[in-house]
Amino acid sequence: RKEVEQDPGPFNVPEGATVAFNCTYSNSASQSFFWYRQDCRKEPKLLMSVYSSGNEDGRFTAQLNRASQYISLLIRDSKLSDSATYLCVVTYSYSSASKIIFGSGTRLSIRP
Amino acid sequence: EPEVTQTPSHQVTQMGQEVILRCVPISNHLYFYWYRQILGQKVEFLVSFYNNEISEKSEIFDDQFSVERPDGSNFTLKIRSTKLEDSAMYFCASSEESGGADEQFFGPGTRLTVL
Repeated sequence: RKEVEQDPGPFNVPEGATVAFNCTYSNSASQSFFWYRQDCRKEPKLLMSVYSSGNEDGRFTAQLNRASQYISLLIRDSKLSDSATYLCVVTYSYSSASKIIFGSGTRLSIRP
Repeated sequence: EPEVTQTPSHQVTQMGQEVILRCVPISNHLYFYWYRQILGQKVEFLVSFYNNEISEKSEIFDDQFSVERPDGSNFTLKIRSTKLEDSAMYFCASSEESGGADEQFFGPGTRLTVL
């Protein structure tokens, strides 16, 4: 089983739609969770951290389910500018170091 | 807004040559990272660096690779003898605290092409 697994997509949805993707992780000791977005041939940029209580930032909602070992990202009222690849990032610490693992990304394409 | 910068944006080199990729992290950040992304594939962690030493490295980061912080601002990745399979986008990142808990800010990347 991959350490961090995402549905690669692509998700192709109309503008204004709601879309959700999940990310599963295999290490139950994972501690921190993030969603990044990456535009084509650009660097990843932090979209939001994911907290145990869930968190919302405007149209974006992230949730963590530790029991089932997955995180989710919900995008409401999608915009054309939301088209990107969404990367799930999971980290865990051991000794004095941290292991940082990126998922392969889920491609989202919003059509007019 | 402070940002991570990387130079060059594109580096073309012959197989077997040495390359040095340069990064200037955000000035008050303490933790530094290199990642690579082969075209069409996922972002892969290479190495993290703190307090002038490597704190963690992946299995990709073999003896061909080294990192250095030669002065108070630059953070470099050296590949001693490049191979065709080293062709990728290399991203530098930095964070205030350990990346295990803190967000990392990425530079725009250096595209390395090995011929």
